[in-house]
Amino acid sequence: EIVMTQSPAILSVSLGERATLSCRASQSINSDLAWYQKKPDQAPRLLIYAASTRATGISSRFSGSGSGTEFTLTISSLQSEDFAVYYCQQYNKWPPWTFGQGTKVEIK
Amino acid sequence: EVQLLESGGDFVQPGGSLRLSCTASGFTFSSHAMNWVRQAPGKGLEWVSVVGTSSDTYYGDSVEGRFTISRDNSKNTVYLQMNSLRAEDTATYYCTKKVPGKFPFDRWGQGTLVTVSS
Repeated sequence: EIVMTQSPAILSVSLGERATLSCRASQSINSDLAWYQKKPDQAPRLLIYAASTRATGISSRFSGSGSGTEFTLTISSLQSEDFAVYYCQQYNKWPPWTFGQGTKVEIK
Repeated sequence: EVQLLESGGDFVQPGGSLRLSCTASGFTFSSHAMNWVRQAPGKGLEWVSVVGTSSDTYYGDSVEGRFTISRDNSKNTVYLQMNSLRAEDTATYYCTKKVPGKFPFDRWGQGTLVTVSS
């Protein structure tokens, strides 16, 4: 099973600032990496797939990078609606599909 | 518009059973693998099970032997039969649709809450 590790667990950011979230895989997953946004009482939403491709309708504020074992999600200028928990997920080797433990982006 | 609507969540005692349903619309259901993913209170996302387009099935280690996933393409519905429920199965269960090929889960339902407690 591929273990996904996210850091930091909590990221405190001011409105308009940049947020950088990290995700590491326990073995190479090429670019088979997705990022999801999760808000309380809402369904998770796919933001990024193939490590750097934005899903349909996702703001250009969100960008992804990386390959192999190291990945990054960047939110360029945080808006109020961006405060949420973000999860990375590998889909290179399955089952199981595995998620990171999440990074909570909160208002500083 | 793609919609996934889960139902069947409830309060159940340890050792009990429950069947979740997810009814889909807005896409060709029979052409997509369908998954269940859960989130326990205060915890992260955990993949539970998948049923492929040929009704092939896989399960996470924590539910193997207790949960059964199935699909009915005539009803555009995927099911999760949960037996021998434990307190640690308490979670919101999400139905997700997977794009064919090497892609992630592109659409998720709103979830249904399962509480296992005495």
